[in-house]
Amino acid sequence: KAGVTQTPRYLIKTRGQQVTLSCSPISGHRSVSWYQQTPGQGLQFLFEYFSETQRNKGNFPGRFSGRQFSNSRSEMNVSTLELGDSALYLCASSFDGNTIYFGEGSWLTVV
Amino acid sequence: AQSVTQLGSHVSVSEGALVLLRCNYSSSVPPYLFWYVQYPNQGLQLLLKYTSAATLVKGINGFEAEFKKSETSFHLTKPSAHMSDAAEYFCAVTPNSGNTPLVFGKGTRLSVIA
Repeated sequence: KAGVTQTPRYLIKTRGQQVTLSCSPISGHRSVSWYQQTPGQGLQFLFEYFSETQRNKGNFPGRFSGRQFSNSRSEMNVSTLELGDSALYLCASSFDGNTIYFGEGSWLTVV
Repeated sequence: AQSVTQLGSHVSVSEGALVLLRCNYSSSVPPYLFWYVQYPNQGLQLLLKYTSAATLVKGINGFEAEFKKSETSFHLTKPSAHMSDAAEYFCAVTPNSGNTPLVFGKGTRLSVIA
């Protein structure tokens, strides 16, 4: 069974631009969550979607948004990028809402 | 609310020695607990999980962890370290009611010396 797939793996953006990251969950998993990982703040929860509905949301500004499609694939968007948004963005999927499996992540560098 | 404290941001062991990575949690309700490993430039891989069944949990790559409610601990151990175990390890907690985001510790970087 294929794991969680994230695209793109690496990207560089300029301050003020926006970015969209994509995630395909493990087949059969309807819950998709996103985490941000930085050296200073560690792993922080962004949001979780289940059956196209946002079920949980972390403490991030409104510039961070996401959505989930009917096939459970998910995207997250960050608008008006800031230097501090440089991070590894991890997508994870779950079947039962408890045990989550992570993808390889998308490395975002904002310059 | 839940929280996780991982004692020691960096642990160094010799190859073949015991690995002990410490994790203490705080939770107002019975928890589910997890250990993840992250190799350089990769995502997180699930090592093992405690979901209120057996208190001694065995995971992949020879790792195991014991849930001790009285000590609010979930330490990760491996009898004999291998060079390939060098990585960052994260402990995480969530309420056993489910559907609540994981709260992660700050991580412990394990170095294995030949």
